[in-house]
Amino acid sequence: GAVVSQHPSRVICKSGTSVKIECRSLDFQATTMFWYRQFPKQSLMLMATSNEGSKATYEQGVEKDKFLINHASLTLSTLTVTSAHPEDSSFYICSARGPLGSYEQYFGPGTRLTVT
Amino acid sequence: GENVEQHPSTLSVQEGDSAVIKCTYSDSASNYFPWYKQELGKRPQLIIDIRSNVGEKKDQRIAVTLNKTAKHFSLHITETQPEDSAVYFCAAMGYQKVTFGTGTKLQVIP
Repeated sequence: GAVVSQHPSRVICKSGTSVKIECRSLDFQATTMFWYRQFPKQSLMLMATSNEGSKATYEQGVEKDKFLINHASLTLSTLTVTSAHPEDSSFYICSARGPLGSYEQYFGPGTRLTVT
Repeated sequence: GENVEQHPSTLSVQEGDSAVIKCTYSDSASNYFPWYKQELGKRPQLIIDIRSNVGEKKDQRIAVTLNKTAKHFSLHITETQPEDSAVYFCAAMGYQKVTFGTGTKLQVIP
C-alpha cells in the first residue's frame, strides 16, 4: 500500500513554455501533498505544501505565480512550471502524507525537467 | 524557520563496520524525525523514523536515537553491507513543516 505515482518521469521543454507535473496517491487519500525540488548531489528543498481544496502554502523564495499548484482532489496534486527557463531544470519530487494524524510521507518517483 | 545540519557529508566504511550519521535541528516544535535512503535518480525511501516522545528505536541493523533536549538525532547502521551504499537524509518535521538535512553519501567498501 501507500503508492504515489508521478507523471511524467522525464520531460524536455523549450524556454517560455509551461509544463505540468501530476502527483497521484494510488491507494490512499492524501489530504496533504508536498512538492520538492532537488538539484544534483543536493538535498530536497521543500517548495510548497498542498492541502486538498485550499491554496498551497509556498516556502520563502518560491514564486507562486511561476510554480502553480493545484490540489483538486484527495488523490491528485499538480505542479505547473510556467514560462520555464533553463534554471528551472531540476528533479521535482512530490510526496503524499498518509491518513489524518500520520506524519509519514510517501514519495513519488520524481520528474526530471530539462528546459532548453 | 527550521534549520537541520547533517554530518558527515561523506562517509566510507569497510563492509561489516558500523556507520553513524548525525543531525541537529533548531525548531523545538519539530516532533517527527525520519531518515531516508536515496539511490541515484530514485525516490527517497523511508528506512526508520522516531517521534519526539521516544528516545531510541531499532529495526534490525538500523537504529535511531533522539536527544530532544540537545536537539540532535543520529542514525546507526551496524554490520554494513555494500547495498547500504547510498545517500542518506535526515529530516525534522512538524505537521505542516518539513526540513531535510544536507545528506550523507555513504560508501561501504567490500
